[in-house]
Amino acid sequence: EPEVTQTPSHQVTQMGQEVILRCVPISNHLYFYWYRQILGQKVEFLVSFYNNEISEKSEIFDDQFSVERPDGSNFTLKIRSTKLEDSAMYFCASMGLAEGKYNEQFFGPGTRLTVL
Amino acid sequence: GQSLEQPSEVTAVEGAIVQINCTYQTSGFYGLSWYQQHDGGAPTFLSYNALDGLEETGRFSSFLSRSDSYGYLLLQELQMKDSASYFCAVRTYGQNFVFGPGTRLSVLP
Repeated sequence: EPEVTQTPSHQVTQMGQEVILRCVPISNHLYFYWYRQILGQKVEFLVSFYNNEISEKSEIFDDQFSVERPDGSNFTLKIRSTKLEDSAMYFCASMGLAEGKYNEQFFGPGTRLTVL
Repeated sequence: GQSLEQPSEVTAVEGAIVQINCTYQTSGFYGLSWYQQHDGGAPTFLSYNALDGLEETGRFSSFLSRSDSYGYLLLQELQMKDSASYFCAVRTYGQNFVFGPGTRLSVLP
């Protein structure tokens, strides 16, 4: 069964450094998402992406964040200057239009980001 | 604003039935989803309700009342492997989803 993949599984960085988190969504999906989850807390929406542009972003998704779909398969989240409070698990998700699965988001395994 | 409420914890024994409630206040509503997340894992989709009523999928059922801004997930014949966090998520508009705070279910032997 197709799945969403994410790399790296764990990223450790120094405060102020830039990080890029990578995701490969399911190939025929059209909607892409980034979420973050601080340990033990809820899943927080960051941004949604459709038709090669951002369709919605949350208050968390400020100027330090950006997303790209640089080619036909990858979907990246960049954090330009990381802060301690960016430490979290970051999940990528994708969603397609297959009948019966129109509202089903498929989540990747996540990237654990640790900012020191 | 967007607000979803769920109980923080629920405990039940194997073989029992448990109901996890979700109430929501959101700007826009298209439907209610439920996701399961085991410790250290990713959320996995369980169900989606766009219309009022009960949807059944095996041991899991999900209910929605749009007029009451309320839904629930019903888990029957509980098994140890059902111990996990359960999140409701509202599809607000377009293809965007807002997640609830999650309910941690502990299934005891």
